[in-house]
Amino acid sequence: GQQVMQIPQYQHVQEGEDFTTYCNSSTTLSNIQWYKQRPGGHPVFLIQLVKSGEVKKQKRLTFQFGEAKKNSSLHITATQTTDVGTYFCAGRGTSGYSTLTFGKGTMLLVSP
Amino acid sequence: ETGVTQSPTHLIKTRGQQVTLRCSSQSGHNTVSWYQQALGQGPQFIFQYYREEENGRGNFPPRFSGLQFPNYSSELNVNALELDDSALYLCASSLGGGQRGNYNEQFFGPGTRLTVL
Repeated sequence: GQQVMQIPQYQHVQEGEDFTTYCNSSTTLSNIQWYKQRPGGHPVFLIQLVKSGEVKKQKRLTFQFGEAKKNSSLHITATQTTDVGTYFCAGRGTSGYSTLTFGKGTMLLVSP
Repeated sequence: ETGVTQSPTHLIKTRGQQVTLRCSSQSGHNTVSWYQQALGQGPQFIFQYYREEENGRGNFPPRFSGLQFPNYSSELNVNALELDDSALYLCASSLGGGQRGNYNEQFFGPGTRLTVL
């Protein structure tokens, strides 16, 4: 079945440093979503990417979808303590009945 | 807040028992998906309901079953509970337009923490 892998599992940065998490799928995806989950909270939708090579920005967050639609990345510029949480990617396969598969997430800790 | 509510917040059961979890979707949303999230893991898709019918299912045994009601609220039932069923159970609502699974922007509820002893 479809597998979605994320690296790194965990990253600890100083406030102001940049952060990147990478997502790789074993199969081609029709789209990919990114979610953020704060400690003790629930996942919150950040964005959905659909097109090959797509790049979207939300303030300090930049999301990319690979040309082959098998990988994606989330980059945060100048992290803040409010960025703390676990970032998940979730991909959907290309067949009509494919479901959404989440990666294991990257936990981000930001020290002031 | 998303407007998606779940009950109960926490639940403790013993092995072999049955449990029912409930979810009220966000106003206007017709699709509910259920996920199981074990500690330190990403959410795992259990199944999705669209207009009262199952609309996609993940790799979970038949003892995991569900319902969706005409008001689009939903239940997740788990029979013959096992220790490994201990997890956070999340429901997510979305607005769907088709019968082959809707995986657009999903709004998650706060979850039900199930502990099986």
